Amino acid sequence: QKEVEQNSGPLSVPEGAIASLNCTYSDRGSQSFFWYRQYSGKSPELIMFIYSNGDKEDGRFTAQLNKASQYVSLLIRDSQPSDSATYLCAVYTGGFKTIFGAGTRLFVKA
Amino acid sequence: EAQVTQNPRYLITVTGKKLTVTCSQNMNHEYMSWYRQDPGLGLRQIYYSMNVEVTDKGDVPEGYKVSRKEKRNFPLILESPSPNQTSLYFCASSNTGPQSNEQFFGPGTRLTVL
Repeated sequence: QKEVEQNSGPLSVPEGAIASLNCTYSDRGSQSFFWYRQYSGKSPELIMFIYSNGDKEDGRFTAQLNKASQYVSLLIRDSQPSDSATYLCAVYTGGFKTIFGAGTRLFVKA
Repeated sequence: EAQVTQNPRYLITVTGKKLTVTCSQNMNHEYMSWYRQDPGLGLRQIYYSMNVEVTDKGDVPEGYKVSRKEKRNFPLILESPSPNQTSLYFCASSNTGPQSNEQFFGPGTRLTVL
């Protein structure tokens, strides 16, 4: 059974701090990795995707991928209260299938 | 406006009463998918479709049916709903499949089966 694991949280950080969200996956053949943000009662929306080992930065967000360790993370710099949401890690494992983690709840305290 | 729509948004029904949740996208996307979201379990894929008349099972297909007769529509059918199908359902679409493009999600359908 292919799995994607995330710490359910909640992760609480003060405003302006760096929030670090982590995700591990079981299938070494996984090809693409995504981070979605989901506000309470809303649908998921894509924040970042990454395919290659290393870091990918987009504004305040940085995705990090380490395929050898089967680990992907999302860093949010200068965290804002509006970043408070559940963050879903998603992994494309091939065969038109994407597996989602259960999500990490993030609270940014003003 | 580019969007994925779902109807109904909320539905309370009884065990065994057939129902259909509609999904439509206006982005000419080839790939569409249905997920259910349950507390602690995240999003789990029910069925997906790579194009018209091409569908396949996801991880939790039992008790569900789908069809893709038109590119824009991908209805989810519950022939005989049971209480364990009470969940939040999302339809999603993407241009070339989930491997490289983001999936756009509909607003969700909250289903309660009594």
